[in-house]
Amino acid sequence: KAGVTQTPRYLIKTRGQQVTLSCSPISGHRSVSWYQQTPGQGLQFLFEYFSETQRNKGNFPGRFSGRQFSNSRSEMNVSTLELGDSALYLCASSLEVAGVSGELFFGEGSRLTVL
Amino acid sequence: KQEVTQIPAALSVPEGENLVLNCSFTDSAIYNLQWFRQDPGKGLTSLLLIQSSQREQTSGRLNASLDKSSGRSTLYIAASQPGDSATYLCAVRGTTSGTYKYIFGTGTRLKVLA
Repeated sequence: KAGVTQTPRYLIKTRGQQVTLSCSPISGHRSVSWYQQTPGQGLQFLFEYFSETQRNKGNFPGRFSGRQFSNSRSEMNVSTLELGDSALYLCASSLEVAGVSGELFFGEGSRLTVL
Repeated sequence: KQEVTQIPAALSVPEGENLVLNCSFTDSAIYNLQWFRQDPGKGLTSLLLIQSSQREQTSGRLNASLDKSSGRSTLYIAASQPGDSATYLCAVRGTTSGTYKYIFGTGTRLKVLA
């Protein structure tokens, strides 16, 4: 069974540009969440999607956005990149059965460097 | 506001030692708690998930306990090996719509010496 797949794995952008990251969850998982990991702030929650609806949102500016497609694949977008957006962006998926949240499974992450 | 703390921040032990990693959380209204390990530059690997109604979970040499009333969880690693060297993170998920998201601790960086 394939795990959570994130693309691209590495990317370099310059300030002011925008970036789109992609996440394919484990087959059958409808919940997808995104996290930003930096040495200074640790792992911080960005947002969570379930069945194409944003269910939760973290405390990030509106430059950070996401969406989920009918096949549960998800994308996140960061516009007007800043140096501080350099981070490892992690996607996770989980299976929910009868409203019970299951184990969180992570992808390998997308390493974004903003110059 | 839920806060998750992991102490110690770093730990170095000789191979074969049994060890305990700690995770504390401030709001006991949690849905579940999960332990992960992360190797440098990699994603997180799930170790154990404890639902709020459970007291402990075991997988191989790992045992995780949960005490909601005191806001604590421990991860016990038996007979540690150099391959256990990694950063260990715990995460709690809240129960209400505003808190129904995972809050992560800052992790314990473990080094097991051969």
